[in-house]
Amino acid sequence: KAGVTQTPRYLIKTRGQQVTLSCSPISGHRSVSWYQQTPGQGLQFLFEYFSETQRNKGNFPGRFSGRQFSNSRSEMNVSTLELGDSALYLCASSVRQVGRTDTQYFGPGTRLTVL
Amino acid sequence: QQQVKQSPQSLIVQKGGISIINCAYENTAFDYFPWYQQFPGKGPALLIAIRPDVSEKKEGRFTISFNKSAKQFSLHIMDSQPGDSATYFCAAMGGKLIFGQGTELSVKP
Repeated sequence: KAGVTQTPRYLIKTRGQQVTLSCSPISGHRSVSWYQQTPGQGLQFLFEYFSETQRNKGNFPGRFSGRQFSNSRSEMNVSTLELGDSALYLCASSVRQVGRTDTQYFGPGTRLTVL
Repeated sequence: QQQVKQSPQSLIVQKGGISIINCAYENTAFDYFPWYQQFPGKGPALLIAIRPDVSEKKEGRFTISFNKSAKQFSLHIMDSQPGDSATYFCAAMGGKLIFGQGTELSVKP
């Protein structure tokens, strides 16, 4: 089974621009979560999508948004980029079993650099 | 209440030694505790996980010990190898994954 894939792997943007990151979950996985990883703040939860609906949200400003498509693929968008948005953005997928917490599997991440 | 505190921040162990990383949590609603291993330039990879109804879980050289009353859990890596050198994250799940700050493990040959 193929793992979680993320595109692009690397991005360089300038302040004020916007960016869209893409994530394809493991086949059969219906939940996609996004995380931001920085040296200072560590791994922080952004949001989770399941059945094309946002199910959970972390403490990030509204500039961070996402969506999920009917095939479970997800995109994350960051508008009006700031220098502090430079980070590794990780996507994780899970089956999302009813009534049971299940394992999240991570992709390789997208390294975003904001200049 | 949503925090997971992880220690130590960095750890140096000799080849063949035991590596021990500790985590503590506050929220008793957490119901799943995974450990992830991350190499530079890669995403975190699931190593081993435990649920709170179990006090210990072993998979090969990796063991999780879980103390529900103390709200603590730890990762033991037996016979540590240079290839184990990586950053290790504990996490707790309660609707979303809350990660510890990570431990940078270096295993010296």
